[in-house]
Amino acid sequence: DSGVTQTPKHLITATGQRVTLRCSPRSGDLSVYWYQQSLDQGLQFLIHYYNGEERAKGNILERFSAQQFPDLHSELNLSSLELGDSALYFCASSPHRDGLNSPLHFGNGTRLTVT
Amino acid sequence: GQQLNQSPQSMFIQEGEDVSMNCTSSSIFNTWLWYKQEPGEGPVLLIALYKAGELTSNGRLTAQFGITRKDSFLNISASIPSDVGIYFCAGQLVRNAGNNRKLIWGLGTSLAVNP
Repeated sequence: DSGVTQTPKHLITATGQRVTLRCSPRSGDLSVYWYQQSLDQGLQFLIHYYNGEERAKGNILERFSAQQFPDLHSELNLSSLELGDSALYFCASSPHRDGLNSPLHFGNGTRLTVT
Repeated sequence: GQQLNQSPQSMFIQEGEDVSMNCTSSSIFNTWLWYKQEPGEGPVLLIALYKAGELTSNGRLTAQFGITRKDSFLNISASIPSDVGIYFCAGQLVRNAGNNRKLIWGLGTSLAVNP
């Protein structure tokens, strides 16, 4: 058990809809990272928050947004969903701002299926 | 997005055999990480490497940080059925496009072990 909790485990929704994925980092970790994993693209970094502030953006679509709350949990919001958004979405946490010398610990992911 | 060249893409071996996989890049990295992902779970850190030439073991697993800092290798000795999974390498660039450091991921090596 990595200590990172993600909910829900599975999500099935229709195109055009909006969903929210939730992540609770390991106790004491201030950084939260969001990744998208699909079969042909591997793990794609979306966004990183540290102690409530956005630190880095990766390949995140404008239809997607995230935030980290004062209690350090994070939410990833996906809107105007398209079929191609179907994927596993992982949250990972680490204690430090940049992750250097403190590797990421991943949750078990949310499997999103857009129909 | 940027990715590492991870090979082989998949392996099917007999129990007891040794396994080797590697990641290469044209870029220089200051950190190499090896993760394993089992079905329905998030990636779990196996080995972290922080210095060029470093050789680190974790049980039957051994990983090396290449001298050129552009590659890394993971070896598994005397494989067992529970070694099944997808193994990912991830590297942290010395310098990347943004003002932050983010991990660059390989596409994974899928390992199947025949008992």
